[in-house]
Amino acid sequence: AQSVTQLGSHVSVSEGALVLLRCNYSSSVPPYLFWYVQYPNQGLQLLLKYTSAATLVKGINDFEAEFKKSETSFHLTKPSAHMSDAAEYFCAVSGRAVQNEKLTFGTGTRLTIIP
Amino acid sequence: AAGVIQSPRHLIKEKRETATLKCYPIPRHDTVYWYQQGPGQDPQFLISFYEKMQSDKGSIPDRFSAQQFSDYHSELNMSSLELGDSALYFCASSPPGLTTGANVLTFGAGSRLTVL
Repeated sequence: AQSVTQLGSHVSVSEGALVLLRCNYSSSVPPYLFWYVQYPNQGLQLLLKYTSAATLVKGINDFEAEFKKSETSFHLTKPSAHMSDAAEYFCAVSGRAVQNEKLTFGTGTRLTIIP
Repeated sequence: AAGVIQSPRHLIKEKRETATLKCYPIPRHDTVYWYQQGPGQDPQFLISFYEKMQSDKGSIPDRFSAQQFSDYHSELNMSSLELGDSALYFCASSPPGLTTGANVLTFGAGSRLTVL
């Protein structure tokens, strides 16, 4: 079974600073990996996904993530934080063996932006 | 673009009552997933349906049941409600076939259930 671990339940960065949210996966084979964002009282919105086409994945709102097999990581980054980035971020994983495979989420990281 | 529609958005029930949540997937999506997100928690997978048949089951209590209908909408029925059932319930849908090499779920805005 696949799982993801998000390091740091809360991260605070200053506006304009680099955002780095950490995610490590556990899987016997390279899985599919995703980052979702959840704004207060809203649903989950897909930021980006890794499907093995390229290890560096670009998503919406200038976010990107790099798949590193040697480190079993899929960290999310953004060069310059905006106030509007304040939200909860979830890393998620699914397997390749079954069509319509469900997503399994990490415990989430709450990102706070300091003005 | 059409999204996943969930209703109701908010629901307040008393303990031991019954609640029904509805989910309308994106047109031509054939798989529906239900997740439960408690306060400050990550979304937990409950159950999924593919072509109107249950395809996977997670940590869904026996008091809960769900089904997918011929028009692909799904309903989550919750009986004998407990205080701990208070949560945000998400529905997601995904399209047929692995067109991009990964099964991408699109989530609805959620239904917030409060049990008093």
